[in-house]
Amino acid sequence: KAGVTQTPRYLIKTRGQQVTLSCSPISGHRSVSWYQQTPGQGLQFLFEYFSETQRNKGNFPGRFSGRQFSNSRSEMNVSTLELGDSALYLCASSLSFGTGGPNTGELFFGEGSRLTVL
Amino acid sequence: GQSLEQPSEVTAVEGAIVQINCTYQTSGFYGLSWYQQHDGGAPTFLSYNGLDGLEETGRFSSFLSRSDSYGYLLLQELQMKDSASYFCAPTAKYNFNKFYFGSGTKLNVKP
Repeated sequence: KAGVTQTPRYLIKTRGQQVTLSCSPISGHRSVSWYQQTPGQGLQFLFEYFSETQRNKGNFPGRFSGRQFSNSRSEMNVSTLELGDSALYLCASSLSFGTGGPNTGELFFGEGSRLTVL
Repeated sequence: GQSLEQPSEVTAVEGAIVQINCTYQTSGFYGLSWYQQHDGGAPTFLSYNGLDGLEETGRFSSFLSRSDSYGYLLLQELQMKDSASYFCAPTAKYNFNKFYFGSGTKLNVKP
């Protein structure tokens, strides 16, 4: 069974540009979450999508956005890049039964997209 | 509100036992997960506690006390490959799949 796939793995952008990152979840997983990881702040929740709907959102500015497609693949976009956006962006998928309550713990993470903003 | 505390770094020797503590303040707390992340790798799930008490999975055990807003991960018979960062991640009721990770604990296992 293929794992979570994120593309691109590495990218370099300059301030003011925008970037789109892609995530393909494990087959059958309908929930996709995005996290930002930096040395100073650790892992921070960005947002979570389930059945093409954003269910949860973290405390990030509106420059950070995402979407999910009908095949559960997800993209996140960061516009007007700032130096502080340099980070590892991790995507995680999980089996989530929607109205059944929170997931009982297991997220499957991809290897991440490492973004460097110059 | 939300807050999370873990030690930033722990060092132990091969074969020893180490405990990584986690205290949390999570509105509507539901459960506590633990993840391991090796340098350059993706976080991987270790365990989940939804109820008070101890959950054991091989050399790893995780404990939760809901009344104390406290949990810990216990690693026994430490091996060099256990050198990694460990994250506790509480979740809240009805915030589906919104996991609160923090900065984690870096475990250094020495020979």
